[in-house]
Amino acid sequence: GAVVSQHPSRVICKSGTSVKIECRSLDFQATTMFWYRQFPKQSLMLMATSNEGSKATYEQGVEKDKFLINHASLTLSTLTVTSAHPEDSSFYICSARVSGRGDTQYFGPGTRLTVL
Amino acid sequence: DAKTTQPNSMESNEEEPVHLPCNHSTISGTDYIHWYRQLPSQGPEYVIHGLTSNVNNRMASLAIAEDRKSSTLILHRATLRDAAVYYCILRDMDSSYKLIFGSGTRLLVRP
Repeated sequence: GAVVSQHPSRVICKSGTSVKIECRSLDFQATTMFWYRQFPKQSLMLMATSNEGSKATYEQGVEKDKFLINHASLTLSTLTVTSAHPEDSSFYICSARVSGRGDTQYFGPGTRLTVL
Repeated sequence: DAKTTQPNSMESNEEEPVHLPCNHSTISGTDYIHWYRQLPSQGPEYVIHGLTSNVNNRMASLAIAEDRKSSTLILHRATLRDAAVYYCILRDMDSSYKLIFGSGTRLLVRP
């Protein structure tokens, strides 16, 4: 159990366009979802924490107007990269936490974004 | 968040035990010790976590020093599928459950 999916798995877009990435918890309801970014050969960097029905909390240095997060239901969170630029090219990973199931976070498989 | 220190890389032979160390000398009393691993081009995977006592599960064991300033993740018999980056993370129980990843240890398993 506790499967998290992401869609798309990889996306290529032109500079200046917006890209939406979906994160879904398939067999559980996620109290909280998290979004991370990972550049090649680097560790994961937490971007924001998202709770269903409320505004996301962004980490210092992450532009909330550029990385729009919507957590509309207990099974779906979306990250929209607005006006993408080549420096936004990265591996975006979401995770989900279940209230009452302790401390474990379940991670999605990641979305590789390439901005041309 | 309290910081962890891990070796950049370690090597092991297949079928042998692996001990992955983690130092966290500034750990506070409310910090849980978490281990996750990340295989190439995949999202991280939960391995184990603990607070004070040693912990065992089907994947690994976690040995926590008595003063909690260090811990060791033990893979009892390494397989080629265990080759990954292993992250030791401290999570404050009061911090909304977010995980702050360090640089981790890249484990290479030799056949």
